[in-house]
Amino acid sequence: AQSVTQPDIHITVSEGASLELRCNYSYGATPYLFWYVQSPGQGLQLLLKYFSGDTLVQGIKGFEAEFKRSQSSFNLRKPSVHWSDAAEYFCAVGFVYNFNKFYFGSGTKLNVKP
Amino acid sequence: NAGVTQTPKFQVLKTGQSMTLQCAQDMNHEYMSWYRQDPGMGLRLIHYSVGAGITDQGEVPNGYNVSRSTTEDFPLRLLSAAPSQTSVYFCASSYGWQAMNTGELFFGEGSRLTVL
Repeated sequence: AQSVTQPDIHITVSEGASLELRCNYSYGATPYLFWYVQSPGQGLQLLLKYFSGDTLVQGIKGFEAEFKRSQSSFNLRKPSVHWSDAAEYFCAVGFVYNFNKFYFGSGTKLNVKP
Repeated sequence: NAGVTQTPKFQVLKTGQSMTLQCAQDMNHEYMSWYRQDPGMGLRLIHYSVGAGITDQGEVPNGYNVSRSTTEDFPLRLLSAAPSQTSVYFCASSYGWQAMNTGELFFGEGSRLTVL
C-alpha cells in the first residue's frame, strides 16, 4: 500500500543538540516531498520542499532535509535545536500533475529539554 | 494579511445535528481542501476543489459535503454529526494545482469539533 511513514511518534532532545526526524515513503514514482511544522493550537507551516535537483534542501528556521532515492527517505535535520522548535512535524508527499492530493505522515512530536 | 480563515474555532454538537465549517482565503488560490486531524493518523483529506464549481472527494469523504461557488470560499458541511467526526478540521489552499514549483499548502488555524 502507498504510504508515508514517520516511525518516531515522540522525540525528546536537549536544547543545543542535533535533531533528525525520519520520513519514508512508498510510492511507485518519486513524489514531491515536504516537511510541515505545527505549533500547538496552530495550523501547519511549510518548512521546506523537494521537487528535483540537489538532494539536500534548505528550509526556514535553520532546517534542512536530504532526499535519498535509494532509501525512499526524506529526513529532516537541524544542527542545533532551540526550545522554540518544540512542535509536531509532518512529512508529506504530492505528485506531479496531481497536487490535488497531498498525503501526510502521522507526525512526530518534538520535545525540547532545557 | 488574512490568509486562510476558518470559523468557528470550536464547536460542540450533539449526534445528528448538522453544521457548516466556514473557510475563506484572500490569496486568489485555485486549490482549496479540507483535512481532518486525528491523533496518530496525521492529516487525512476529506474533500478538495481545484476551482469554483469543481469539487472532488478525498480519502475520507463520507458524512461531509462541500461546494465551491466562489474562488474565496469553501465551506464544509456535516450532514448528520456522529461521534466519529470529533476531530480537528483544517482548511488549506494553494496557488495552483498543476504548477510545478508550488505545491505549498497554506493552512488555516483549525476548527476543533466535538460531537457528543
